[in-house]
Amino acid sequence: QSALTQPASVSGSPGQSITISCTGTSSDVGSYNYVSWYQQHPGKAPKLMIYDVSKRPSGVSGRFSGSKSGNTASLTISGLQAEDEADYFCSSYPGSTTVLFGGGTKLTVL
Amino acid sequence: EVQLVESGGGLIQPGGSLRLSCAASGHTVSSTYMSWVRQAPGKGLEWVSIIYSGGTTYYADSVKGRFTISRDNSRNTLYLQMNSLRAEDTAVYYCATNYYDGTGYYPDAFDIWGQGTMVTVSS
Repeated sequence: QSALTQPASVSGSPGQSITISCTGTSSDVGSYNYVSWYQQHPGKAPKLMIYDVSKRPSGVSGRFSGSKSGNTASLTISGLQAEDEADYFCSSYPGSTTVLFGGGTKLTVL
Repeated sequence: EVQLVESGGGLIQPGGSLRLSCAASGHTVSSTYMSWVRQAPGKGLEWVSIIYSGGTTYYADSVKGRFTISRDNSRNTLYLQMNSLRAEDTAVYYCATNYYDGTGYYPDAFDIWGQGTMVTVSS
């Protein structure tokens, strides 16, 4: 299976909303609700922001939300803040005992 | 507080072996799903392996037959034995716990991560 496809970069101004897409296939993102999103600051370990397409772990800001349509999942960050600047990765479990990750998206807060 | 601390990384020649350790505190490794995820320098994340609480293990195709995940319950430590190492195995290796929301584990959701340990395969 191939990695999931994410845009290399997105940007937005403080207070704005941005959306990062994660495109898979009908065999992974399109067939299962196993989609997660991670935030990673430079030199740090990833942090789980969204799981099960749209659920937030305890402690994650409500400004982060997830959704899915067909083979594409999306992460939306509303009320953009400077500390949101980071790399974001999506993941999916295609039901075959493997886990796929996206290539990552660099979010720049202008 | 749950903490994971990896160790064992370093510089190794192609074809060599290395064993990574992940010492856990604040939770019991034998009672959770745990995984290894790696990240090559400047690249994205790549899932490597998982061990279920019952002991079942799975591997990415890229490491199958070369890497072995295991745990020592008495030491509360997760391991990754890496044999026949290749240049493309060069990466930061993270251990992580799979997220459990009270109803089940999520195979692609990793909620607690270690700080990572760097493995460099080069002659």
